[in-house]
Amino acid sequence: EPEVTQTPSHQVTQMGQEVILRCVPISNHLYFYWYRQILGQKVEFLVSFYNNEISEKSEIFDDQFSVERPDGSNFTLKIRSTKLEDSAMYFCASSAQGVVTEAFFGQGTRLTVV
Amino acid sequence: QKEVEQNSGPLSVPEGAIASLNCTYSDRGSQSFFWYRQYSGKSPELIMSIYSNGDKEDGRFTAQLNKASQYVSLLIRDSQPSDSATYLCAVYPPGSGNTGKLIFGQGTTLQVKP
Repeated sequence: EPEVTQTPSHQVTQMGQEVILRCVPISNHLYFYWYRQILGQKVEFLVSFYNNEISEKSEIFDDQFSVERPDGSNFTLKIRSTKLEDSAMYFCASSAQGVVTEAFFGQGTRLTVV
Repeated sequence: QKEVEQNSGPLSVPEGAIASLNCTYSDRGSQSFFWYRQYSGKSPELIMSIYSNGDKEDGRFTAQLNKASQYVSLLIRDSQPSDSATYLCAVYPPGSGNTGKLIFGQGTTLQVKP
């Protein structure tokens, strides 16, 4: 069964360092997303990406964040200068279409900023 | 402010009973509705989607949608200990366009006791 895969599963980084979280969406899907979940809190939308550009981003997704689809299969989230409050589970998701279809989530990357 | 509200629980039911999980949403024009299951430390796993008023059944799961009351529910029949997890309600609000931005509730923790 097709699935969204994310690497690494766990990333520890020092405050101020750059991190790149990687995702391989389901192959025939067109819409890609990043969500995050701080421990004990709701799953929060960060950004959606379609046709090689950002469709929508939340207020969380500030200038420290960027996304890229560098090679037609990978979808990456970069955080330029990590803060302690960026510590969270980051989930990549994809859907065949946008609003009318189901989004499937990867297993997540646990980011710990120390 | 677009809101999706769930009782955080825990909801405790005996094995074999029916578990009833409820969700309300604030934005009347909301479109697609989804139930995800999330085990502790894991990613959201899609269980059901529902798009129109009424009931939708899939195995032991039934989703119910009432757009007039802005209410969506999930029934789990013959609950099993393996159903013990947090159940997340997610909604595409109006204005999502084709971005596929999901709004999640905080989740209801279900405990099924053997």
